[in-house]
Amino acid sequence: KQEVTQIPAALSVPEGENLVLNCSFTDSAIYNLQWFRQDPGKGLTSLLLIQSSQREQTSGRLNASLDKSSGRSTLYIAASQPGDSATYLCAVRQETSGSRLTFGEGTQLTVNP
Amino acid sequence: GAVVSQHPSWVICKSGTSVKIECRSLDFQATTMFWYRQFPKQSLMLMATSNEGSKATYEQGVEKDKFLINHASLTLSTLTVTSAHPEDSSFYICSARDTSVHTYNEQFFGPGTRLTVL
Repeated sequence: KQEVTQIPAALSVPEGENLVLNCSFTDSAIYNLQWFRQDPGKGLTSLLLIQSSQREQTSGRLNASLDKSSGRSTLYIAASQPGDSATYLCAVRQETSGSRLTFGEGTQLTVNP
Repeated sequence: GAVVSQHPSWVICKSGTSVKIECRSLDFQATTMFWYRQFPKQSLMLMATSNEGSKATYEQGVEKDKFLINHASLTLSTLTVTSAHPEDSSFYICSARDTSVHTYNEQFFGPGTRLTVL
């Protein structure tokens, strides 16, 4: 059974700092990995999706990497802003599970002005 | 593109009543939709997979007679919480799978429905 772990559970940083969020998964037979953002009381916003054959994806100040063999992914946020404050979730899709996603418990990020 | 809506965004009901939540894909067809539940400070847990024109597939531990799912069209799935109790209070989120080639069968998520059972 796939298990997804995110470290740290919470992170508080001053504005402008670069930061890294970590995600690990136990079963490396994944189809893809996705990073989401969730604001309080809201749904999910997809940030980046990395296919299993890819090593990284970039969107603006965000960069996500994937090391499938070691079961790890990182989300790098450059020059953090207060508006980046949210919970960040990673989710993996298995090769054999159709489209079902397994989510980590998230990292709650606070960027202080 | 790839917008998913949910209705209502929040609902408060009395214990013992039934509540229906709708999930719609607005600009794409979704043969498969997913229903998740999220308790405070926890992550999303998949409840069931909804397939258009067929019965839903429920995850272990989810009562299919309590959480009725209907996926009658390619753009609409409904979740009905029957005889709701306070422990059913949660944030319910749906997602829809876009089966077009260019999106790798990616799931797109709705904004969620906050259910409070008194």
